[in-house]
Amino acid sequence: KQEVTQIPAALSVPEGENLVLNCSFTDSAIYNLQWFRQDPGKGLTSLLLIQSSQREQTSGRLNASLDKSSGRSTLYIAASQPGDSATYLCALNTNAGKSTFGDGTTLTVKP
Amino acid sequence: NAGVTQTPKFRILKIGQSMTLQCTQDMNHNYMYWYRQDPGMGLKLIYYSVGAGITDKGEVPNGYNVSRSTTEDFPLRLELAAPSQTSVYFCASSYGHRYYGYTFGSGTRLTVV
Repeated sequence: KQEVTQIPAALSVPEGENLVLNCSFTDSAIYNLQWFRQDPGKGLTSLLLIQSSQREQTSGRLNASLDKSSGRSTLYIAASQPGDSATYLCALNTNAGKSTFGDGTTLTVKP
Repeated sequence: NAGVTQTPKFRILKIGQSMTLQCTQDMNHNYMYWYRQDPGMGLKLIYYSVGAGITDKGEVPNGYNVSRSTTEDFPLRLELAAPSQTSVYFCASSYGHRYYGYTFGSGTRLTVV
């Protein structure tokens, strides 16, 4: 059974800092991995989707990497801003036909 | 494009009542999913569907039922509501599981009192 872990559960950083969020998984036989952002009381917004054959994806100040051999993905946020404050979740798709989600990392960026 | 639309946004139910949470997508996605998210927790899969007429149980199906008569609609039925079903419910859809990511609706916040 796929298990997905996101550590730390919460992270607080000053504005302008570069930061890395982690996502670990136990089964490397994945189709793809997706990073989401969730604002308080809102739904999930897709940030980046990495296919199994890819090593990374970039969108603006965000860069997501995937290392299947070590069972890890990272989400790098450059020059963080208070507007980046949210919960970030990773989700893995496997041949089971459904995704497994991590519990998320809650990020607070202080002005 | 409306994406994934969920109704209602909020609902309060009394114990033992029933209701249907509606989910509609206009992207012609084959795959649709229902998740629940309890406070401070991740998402747990309730039911999913890989196409019209095909549904399957997820991790936490007890107390819920689904149907998928069309590609667009995937309603979630709660029978005999219990306080343990107080949660936020999210519907999601995808073109396919192998190469595509998920698109989520904005959620339904349900309280059972």
